[in-house]
Amino acid sequence: NAGVTQTPKFRILKIGQSMTLQCTQDMNHNYMYWYRQDPGMGLKLIYYSVGAGITDKGEVPNGYNVSRSTTEDFPLRLELAAPSQTSVYFCASSSRGETTFRSSPLHFGNGTRLTVT
Amino acid sequence: ELKVEQNPLFLSMQEGKNYTIYCNYSTTSDRLYWYRQDPGKSLESLFVLLSNGAVKQEGRLMASLDTKARLSTLHITAAVHDLSATYFCASNKFYFGSGTKLNVKP
Repeated sequence: NAGVTQTPKFRILKIGQSMTLQCTQDMNHNYMYWYRQDPGMGLKLIYYSVGAGITDKGEVPNGYNVSRSTTEDFPLRLELAAPSQTSVYFCASSSRGETTFRSSPLHFGNGTRLTVT
Repeated sequence: ELKVEQNPLFLSMQEGKNYTIYCNYSTTSDRLYWYRQDPGKSLESLFVLLSNGAVKQEGRLMASLDTKARLSTLHITAAVHDLSATYFCASNKFYFGSGTKLNVKP
């Protein structure tokens, strides 16, 4: 039972480089999210998706892009890496969104630790 | 403007003692989640609180929600070392608090 899988676990980028953080889930969840966690801080929402083909910005979307072509996958793209993007990135999924009467918690991946130098 | 504010941010306590972590939120959603994060690890869901007056308990942890006061509490009863971790509250799935780092000393 894999849950939410993120790759890679660690990555060092040079300023201006690009990369894609991969996220896949096997729970058939419609809702998927990307967060970043800076040292000693809470999580900030970057982008989220309520289903295949639908994405929307969160609190801190600048410098990132996402796509959702399948229910399982939700990759996060950094086009021009900057030192301010050094962080730990978490992908998460849930079976229900916030507009439903019942809700469900987030299931998190193990994170990707990204350093931009 | 902080949408979700936790206090205290750091908490060092002795085993066997009780304490409460507070989570104030200013968002319109009245859904409140609590998560636990061990050092270097991912986040694990603890409680989902969906309505005013909701109370959930699991072992030595009890969470409650007062939507009128926009306040949730996480109460720790007779703390043990295994509870040492960082605890986050979140208003819906969009806004997280900064976390409360709990250290329970033997």
